[in-house]
Amino acid sequence: NAGVTQTPKFQVLKTGQSMTLQCAQDMNHEYMSWYRQDPGMGLRLIHYSVGAGITDQGEVPNGYNVSRSTTEDFPLRLLSAAPSQTSVYFCASSLTDGGGYTFGSGTRLTVV
Amino acid sequence: GENVEQHPSTLSVQEGDSAVIKCTYSDSASNYFPWYKQELGKGPQLIIDIRSNVGEKKDQRIAVTLNKTAKHFSLHITETQPEDSAVYFCAAAAAGNKLTFGGGTRVLVKP
Repeated sequence: NAGVTQTPKFQVLKTGQSMTLQCAQDMNHEYMSWYRQDPGMGLRLIHYSVGAGITDQGEVPNGYNVSRSTTEDFPLRLLSAAPSQTSVYFCASSLTDGGGYTFGSGTRLTVV
Repeated sequence: GENVEQHPSTLSVQEGDSAVIKCTYSDSASNYFPWYKQELGKGPQLIIDIRSNVGEKKDQRIAVTLNKTAKHFSLHITETQPEDSAVYFCAAAAAGNKLTFGGGTRVLVKP
């Protein structure tokens, strides 16, 4: 098992550009989430999904879209990148409700 | 929504000593409390977790305690080693598994 795979590992965007951060897991996990990590602020939930076709907003959803067409994939879309979205983004998945999340290795995004 | 506070933000200990990190949470519906270790340049890794029906859980040198009445839980690392140096995060979740994280504790174990 590869676990949770995130691509790309690094990305630089210009303000206003759009892009998709990819996340895939091969553990047949139902729950998937996207977090952003900023210095001194821990990890904050952007969007999450409890299964294919079901998504919901987290704590900081503005400027991001998600979809969950398959169990394996949970892409995060930045609609119009802003410098405030400069961060490290982590995707995570969990088998069950109340189970431990497995995190990917992250995508470091810089918006200039 | 849930709010998780974590203290201290930094912790420096001598190798072999114990380290304790404390977290408080606000939502009484939270029933799952994991702890994650994050090394530089990597994603958080689950090291131990506890559910609301248990007061204490231990795994070798790591233990977690939970006080539901007071809404706080703690991570205890005994006999610390240099490889324990990392950032540690606590989190809390109610049904639906939406984790809310604390701000993190940077632990430095001095040889």
